[in-house]
Amino acid sequence: DVKVTQSSRYLVKRTGEKVFLECVQDMDHENMFWYRQDPGLGLRLIYFSYDVKMKEKGDIPEGYSVSREKKERFSLILESASTNQTSMYLCASSLLGGLNTEAFFGQGTRLTVV
Amino acid sequence: QKEVEQNSGPLSVPEGAIASLNCTYSDRGSQSFFWYRQYSGKSPELIMFIYSNGDKEDGRFTAQLNKASQYVSLLIRDSQPSDSATYLCAPNTGFQKLVFGTGTRLLVSP
Repeated sequence: DVKVTQSSRYLVKRTGEKVFLECVQDMDHENMFWYRQDPGLGLRLIYFSYDVKMKEKGDIPEGYSVSREKKERFSLILESASTNQTSMYLCASSLLGGLNTEAFFGQGTRLTVV
Repeated sequence: QKEVEQNSGPLSVPEGAIASLNCTYSDRGSQSFFWYRQYSGKSPELIMFIYSNGDKEDGRFTAQLNKASQYVSLLIRDSQPSDSATYLCAPNTGFQKLVFGTGTRLLVSP
């Protein structure tokens, strides 16, 4: 079974802190994604990566950056956390190309910025 | 225009009824389409995907695709209370980007 693991289930950080959210997948997937999910707004794509050291902005990249130094690991960085970044963050991975690019999700990290 | 549009609901159906969930998409280059189910407090999981026009059946679930109308739907027959969840639609455009609709919340009452 594909396994996508996020480093923390719950996280509380202070405004202005630098925050790292880590995601690791064990199925050699090329694609990795970071989303945030808020009530009424659905899953919104922050950043994605289709290869090591490659990154592409999603729909809401402002205030975030990412790092992919190894194929299995994709990190989301909040350079200076703000209260409006309080949210559920979901990481996902999938194969690159083909018709069946099913995305597999991690368990999510609920981040609260106080 | 949003890339993927879904009615947020909630869609309320009685147990045993057919639930019909709809999704429209803007990218005509989309090659396949995915339906995910997300229970409250859980991560999304794939129910089924479809890439040919017409119907695809899997148990109580039927996905329908009409590429000319840029429309994809999910029918759930004999709905059960355990089907109560949010259903997310996601097209595969052939590029790496994966964007979801906002999801439709389904409530099945006993």
